[in-house]
Amino acid sequence: DQQVKQNSPSLSVQEGRISILNCDYTNSMFDYFLWYKKYPAEGPTFLISISSIKDKNEDGRFTVFLNKSAKHLSLHIVPSQPGDSAVYFCAAGGDFGTASKLTFGTGTRLQVTL
Amino acid sequence: DTAVSQTPKYLVTQMGNDKSIKCEQNLGHDTMYWYKQDSKKFLKIMFSYNNKELIINETVPNRFSPKSPDKAHLNLHINSLELGDSAVYFCASSQAPRGNEQFFGPGTRLTVL
Repeated sequence: DQQVKQNSPSLSVQEGRISILNCDYTNSMFDYFLWYKKYPAEGPTFLISISSIKDKNEDGRFTVFLNKSAKHLSLHIVPSQPGDSAVYFCAAGGDFGTASKLTFGTGTRLQVTL
Repeated sequence: DTAVSQTPKYLVTQMGNDKSIKCEQNLGHDTMYWYKQDSKKFLKIMFSYNNKELIINETVPNRFSPKSPDKAHLNLHINSLELGDSAVYFCASSQAPRGNEQFFGPGTRLTVL
């Protein structure tokens, strides 16, 4: 019963182009969503988040889009840079009455090529 | 000036042993977490503490016992280690119980032989 899914395990994009990472969720109780970036042998690092009352949030080269009706969110990175090569995790959270609890997807490995 | 630190980074031990992983955060956060990332790369929450009080306990075997001596520390003790406990364990912290942004430590890779 995987509630957060990242169906693409890997993605390769040329430097300078747009990277689009996708995430789907099933639990309509989720009301905030986050993207984390992870390099090997390090912990996940927070990138950007979005509340369910919004459909877009932008921070520099990173933009997250949320489509609540489709239960889908995406992370756009433009322009992509070699340093963006990492594993990206989508996470979702909600007020289930027991404090903050994030459910993570399995990650998408992004490789930005020269 | 590490925000969330964990020790040790690597831990190799035999089945049946008892081991502990320590976590400390210097961000002044109220809430701390333990996550487990298994071989399939699923990152799943195990426990959450807020101001030293357990608030999330996700159907984890009772061989796993978290301990929070103060709000800056959350240690994880594992008794009678099993092969299936091999994983990477991440500690995290956030500002509030429902803090959107959680800050993660570098992880502890546990290998049970």
